[in-house]
Amino acid sequence: NAGVTQTPKFRILKIGQSMTLQCTQDMNHNYMYWYRQDPGMGLKLIYYSVGAGITDKGEVPNGYNVSRSTTEDFPLRLELAAPSQTSVYFCASSRLLYNEQFFGPGTRLTVL
Amino acid sequence: RKEVEQDPGPFNVPEGATVAFNCTYSNSASQSFFWYRQDCRKEPKLLMSVYSSGNEDGRFTAQLNRASQYISLLIRDSKLSDSATYLCVVIANNNDMRFGAGTRLTVKP
Repeated sequence: NAGVTQTPKFRILKIGQSMTLQCTQDMNHNYMYWYRQDPGMGLKLIYYSVGAGITDKGEVPNGYNVSRSTTEDFPLRLELAAPSQTSVYFCASSRLLYNEQFFGPGTRLTVL
Repeated sequence: RKEVEQDPGPFNVPEGATVAFNCTYSNSASQSFFWYRQDCRKEPKLLMSVYSSGNEDGRFTAQLNRASQYISLLIRDSKLSDSATYLCVVIANNNDMRFGAGTRLTVKP
């Protein structure tokens, strides 16, 4: 099992550009999450999903969108990138809501 | 007051030492608690859940103090490989989940 995979590992965007961060899990978990982690700060939940076709906002959803068309995939879309979105983004999945989350390796995003 | 607070450290301890971290939370309706470990520039990984009665896993002991609203992590006989940042997670009964910012531990030879 690969677990949770994320692409890309690194990305530099210009202000106003858009991109999609990819996340895939092969553990057949219903629950998936997107977090951002800024230096010295705890992980902040952006969006989460309780199953294919169902998503909900977390603590910091502004500037992001998600979709969940399959159990395995949970892409995060950034529209009109801003410097405030410079961060490390982690995708995670779990069998039960919030319980024992498995994280991907992260995507380091810089917006200049 | 932050909803979940941790002393950022760093805690610098020699090999073999015992070290303890606390994580305080403000929501008295918090029901579930976890400790995660995060190595530098890596993803968090679950270390252990925290049960009401406390739990132990080898050199690691986690405890919950509901009256004072904190959880603790005790590491005995510290190893060099224990050097990492330790994150606490607190989940309220309305499924509001918060991560602490983490406590950095460095174990020195």
